[in-house]
Amino acid sequence: DAGVTQSPTHLIKTRGQQVTLRCSPKSGHDTVSWYQQALGQGPQFIFQYYEEEERQRGNFPDRFSGHQFPNYSSELNVNALLLGDSALYLCASSLGYGRNLGNTEAFFGQGTRLTVV
Amino acid sequence: AQSVTQLDSQVPVFEEAPVELRCNYSSSVSVYLFWYVQYPNQGLQLLLKYLSGSTLVESINGFEAEFNKSQTSFHLRKPSVHISDTAEYFCAVSESSGAGSYQLTFGKGTKLSVIP
Repeated sequence: DAGVTQSPTHLIKTRGQQVTLRCSPKSGHDTVSWYQQALGQGPQFIFQYYEEEERQRGNFPDRFSGHQFPNYSSELNVNALLLGDSALYLCASSLGYGRNLGNTEAFFGQGTRLTVV
Repeated sequence: AQSVTQLDSQVPVFEEAPVELRCNYSSSVSVYLFWYVQYPNQGLQLLLKYLSGSTLVESINGFEAEFNKSQTSFHLRKPSVHISDTAEYFCAVSESSGAGSYQLTFGKGTKLSVIP
């Protein structure tokens, strides 16, 4: 079992550009969540996808958008990059939307380190 | 909304000594509590969690945490640490029901450094 895989591992972008990050969930998982971890901070919830729809969203602007594919993999897109978007972006997968985190477990990938210059 | 405070950003400790990593939370609703560990260049891994029942929960590698409702704390302890325990530890909460039960709110993390 490959677990949660994210690509790329590192990325450097220029302010104002757009970026796409990718995540493949753990085998058998159907729900994908994205978190942003700024330097020296804990991860912050961005949004969660299930059945190709955004189901939950944290306090992030519309510049952050996502997509989930029929094979459950997911993309995180960030438009009009700001210097403050520099962070480690973590993808977490779990089984079964509607099962809260007491009844399922979130497995995290290694993350994508995004640097905006 | 919930919040999590990890009181120590860095904790150095000698090998085989005991350690306590402190975590306090704030929430107006019932929550589940978690500790995650992040080894260098790896993703977050669930260490242990409290859902209900016994306030003391244990992990398979010797860590334990105790839920204290009156003090709104969930401190992580280990009686004797090993070099391999060097990592960053994150305390997290999620609501036990409703829309907030699908997302985790994390603290800022505590870097545990075990000194030989």
